[in-house]
Amino acid sequence: DTEVTQTPKHLVMGMTNKKSLKCEQHMGHRAMYWYKQKAKKPPELMFVYSYEKLSINESVPSRFSPECPNSSLLNLHLHALQPEDSALYLCASSQVGPDGYTFGSGTRLTVV
Amino acid sequence: RKEVEQDPGPFNVPEGATVAFNCTYSNSASQSFFWYRQDCRKEPKLLMSVYSSGNEDGRFTAQLNRASQYISLLIRDSKLSDSATYLCVVESGTALIFGKGTTLSVSS
Repeated sequence: DTEVTQTPKHLVMGMTNKKSLKCEQHMGHRAMYWYKQKAKKPPELMFVYSYEKLSINESVPSRFSPECPNSSLLNLHLHALQPEDSALYLCASSQVGPDGYTFGSGTRLTVV
Repeated sequence: RKEVEQDPGPFNVPEGATVAFNCTYSNSASQSFFWYRQDCRKEPKLLMSVYSSGNEDGRFTAQLNRASQYISLLIRDSKLSDSATYLCVVESGTALIFGKGTTLSVSS
């Protein structure tokens, strides 16, 4: 299995909703990442988990809350988002380093 | 976190053309470099890694100049299917940092 699976593929949520994005990989990768990509912009790093511990938080607002329940799963909990948070949220995994980086197909989030 | 800068584009070329993209990076400690390709509304996908000795994969050639902190990608004999956004990517610790991307449009 050489894939990173993200669910859901599309999500529409209101500003008062609570939702979660999920990411799963079974490649034995020990680093997992969340990126945010707005239209016509490059992916921007949000969080890095290394060996299931949060190692990087790129000053992301607290309305985004990451969680790594085990080495195969990565969640992003969303609460009280704003319309400007609408974007493609990409999960990636790697063997704790830049090689073998694999992206999921993303969750396209719309906040209304 | 340091920046990665790319040609602004877009590049509009006919089929069969040769096109070159350039990129500079500011973190001299970076050790790994890549070109990714991203199609509209899809995730980025690795096109090729970039090595100091230069590397070639079919019609694609990548070069790295560490002294100048400069990366390039050359595409020969452009195909319609090459139309995409090309992202220059530099390792920073465990994470990848993306340039803004250069859009290529190949027309018949």
